[in-house]
Amino acid sequence: NAGVTQTPKFQVLKTGQSMTLQCAQDMNHEYMSWYRQDPGMGLRLIHYSVGAGITDQGEVPNGYNVSRSTTEDFPLRLLSAAPSQTSVYFCASTSNPGNGYTFGSGTRLTVV
Amino acid sequence: AQTVTQSQPEMSVQEAETVTLSCTYDTSESDYYLFWYKQPPSRQMILVIRQEAYKQQNATENRFSVNFQKAAKSFSLKISDSQLGDAAMYFCAYRRYNAGNNRKLIWGLGTSLAVNP
Repeated sequence: NAGVTQTPKFQVLKTGQSMTLQCAQDMNHEYMSWYRQDPGMGLRLIHYSVGAGITDQGEVPNGYNVSRSTTEDFPLRLLSAAPSQTSVYFCASTSNPGNGYTFGSGTRLTVV
Repeated sequence: AQTVTQSQPEMSVQEAETVTLSCTYDTSESDYYLFWYKQPPSRQMILVIRQEAYKQQNATENRFSVNFQKAAKSFSLKISDSQLGDAAMYFCAYRRYNAGNNRKLIWGLGTSLAVNP
């Protein structure tokens, strides 16, 4: 099925561990974004990309890295997990931001 | 800076009835997009409806329609003939029309809608 696929759906990390959240889309969308969703704070943009090889920071980029080597994939790397990174993470993509984004089903990350 | 406010943290509606969710925003731009997204318990964000600010006509998608009042900076969502499957968190979002490097969506904090049988 066409769409945005995020893996894993759930993850528990220990403080200081690193990991990569995977995001793949098969709709040939140029624009991809990572958000985190926290209670009472809505969705906040972590990083975004406007095409392969082009990434930029959002409003809360610290502690996260991204790369965009292909149009399809946009992984999010946590460098050294902290409890403050406990959140639900969403990847989203679109061919035209004015038309709205297609979201993945999210990853619930807990850092202990 | 643009902001989006959803003043109703929680709402409820009886099945088959109509409910309206409120959203106001603050911007100095004249051209922009507005969106309503639905997040059911499954967690996935689903685009419900979008509105382009330069269009006078209110957007409609089946049972979902908006009341877009540009001068008042208001963008409410009306759900007609509410169904149990409409129970979800609803988010209002804003994006500049010509965002340039400022490409982020501005999100409200959401309204939790319960549908009572």
